[in-house]
Amino acid sequence: AQSVTQPDIHITVSEGASLELRCNYSYGATPYLFWYVQSPGQGLQLLLKYFSGDTLVQGIKGFEAEFKRSQSSFNLRKPSVHWSDAAEYFCAVGAQTGANNLFFGTGTRLTVIP
Amino acid sequence: DSGVTQTPKHLITATGQRVTLRCSPRSGDLSVYWYQQSLDQGLQFLIQYYNGEERAKGNILERFSAQQFPDLHSELNLSSLELGDSALYFCASSPPGSSGTQYFGPGTRLLVL
Repeated sequence: AQSVTQPDIHITVSEGASLELRCNYSYGATPYLFWYVQSPGQGLQLLLKYFSGDTLVQGIKGFEAEFKRSQSSFNLRKPSVHWSDAAEYFCAVGAQTGANNLFFGTGTRLTVIP
Repeated sequence: DSGVTQTPKHLITATGQRVTLRCSPRSGDLSVYWYQQSLDQGLQFLIQYYNGEERAKGNILERFSAQQFPDLHSELNLSSLELGDSALYFCASSPPGSSGTQYFGPGTRLLVL
């Protein structure tokens, strides 16, 4: 069965510091992988996605993520965090064939301190 | 703005009642997905429609139903509401051939009292 684990419930970083949010998945085959961001009271915005090819993918707002098949991971990174990055971040997996609904992790809440 | 619209934004109702949530997908998108976000269950997939037909079902209760109309908008019907149905309900849409990339609406926040 598909599952996504985001081991960090809450992370606090200083503005300007680097950021890495962890995501591990369990899936029978190579999945599609996504990161979404949810600001308070808002919907989910797609940050980036991985389907195939280059394992380092670039997204919006300066985010990137690296797919590591051997570790079943898809960690999200940003070299320098801005105060506006404070939000909840969700990792998700989807099937490459058949029903392609998404399975989401429990989310990581990011707090940015000045 | 993702281009997916949901109405209403907020809904307050009583236990035992029935409500209808509405979603309009992005122009050209044929797939509509419904998700429920609650504090205890997180984000859970409920149901997917593709061009008017049910494509996949997730953890959707029998008290809940959905449909997608010829103009591709979708409605999620929740009946015999319970306190535990209080949640944020999201609709997402995806274009054909997008490999499952989904664009989410702003959600409908349902409060059952």
